[in-house]
Amino acid sequence: DTGVSQDPRHKITKRGQNVTFRCDPISEHNRLYWYRQTLGQGPEFLTYFQNEAQLEKSRLLSDRFSAERPKGSFSTLEIQRTEQGDSAMYLCASSLDRRNEKLFFGSGTQLSVL
Amino acid sequence: DQQVKQNSPSLSVQEGRISILNCDYTNSMFDYFLWYKKYPAEGPTFLISISSIKDKNEDGRFTVFLNKSAKHLSLHIVPSQPGDSAVYFCAAPPGYGGATNKLIFGTGTLLAVQP
Repeated sequence: DTGVSQDPRHKITKRGQNVTFRCDPISEHNRLYWYRQTLGQGPEFLTYFQNEAQLEKSRLLSDRFSAERPKGSFSTLEIQRTEQGDSAMYLCASSLDRRNEKLFFGSGTQLSVL
Repeated sequence: DQQVKQNSPSLSVQEGRISILNCDYTNSMFDYFLWYKKYPAEGPTFLISISSIKDKNEDGRFTVFLNKSAKHLSLHIVPSQPGDSAVYFCAAPPGYGGATNKLIFGTGTLLAVQP
């Protein structure tokens, strides 16, 4: 069990550029979540996958954001035409497919948009 | 609409003393609560949880108390250690009976344990 892995750990980009983050969940977990955390706030839910199906998206997930989990294993989160307000820590988490199972988080990707 | 509230942004305690972190919630549908700890530049890690059918859950130095009538829970750390210095988040699943385990987090409390 290597835990939830996220890549890259840090990303600096210029406004208007596209960025993509990757998340590898714990292998036996079929639920995968993306969260965003800004300074002084708790993690905010963005989207959730059950295997390869994206079952829920937050209103925070504008049309510039897209997430995929093509084979029900790793997931990618892409942000197009980045804005300075996108600067945040992007966290991925996974869990087992049972109610009230705890989420295991990765170390996150810190995005800075200049 | 902040459904999970942590009204104390920070708390400082002496090593060996008790740390009490508080959390309030507004949604009476919540039936399960979790506490996570977060160190800088790391993701949150699970600490302890409690179901609404209980009013207390204990795990070593950590105890969570739930007062359903007040919609309030608290995390007690006894004795506090310098390694406990971190941000603590209270969280709850939406509680509407759905299958998702997505969590709604509070804003966190930064605990500093002074040696």
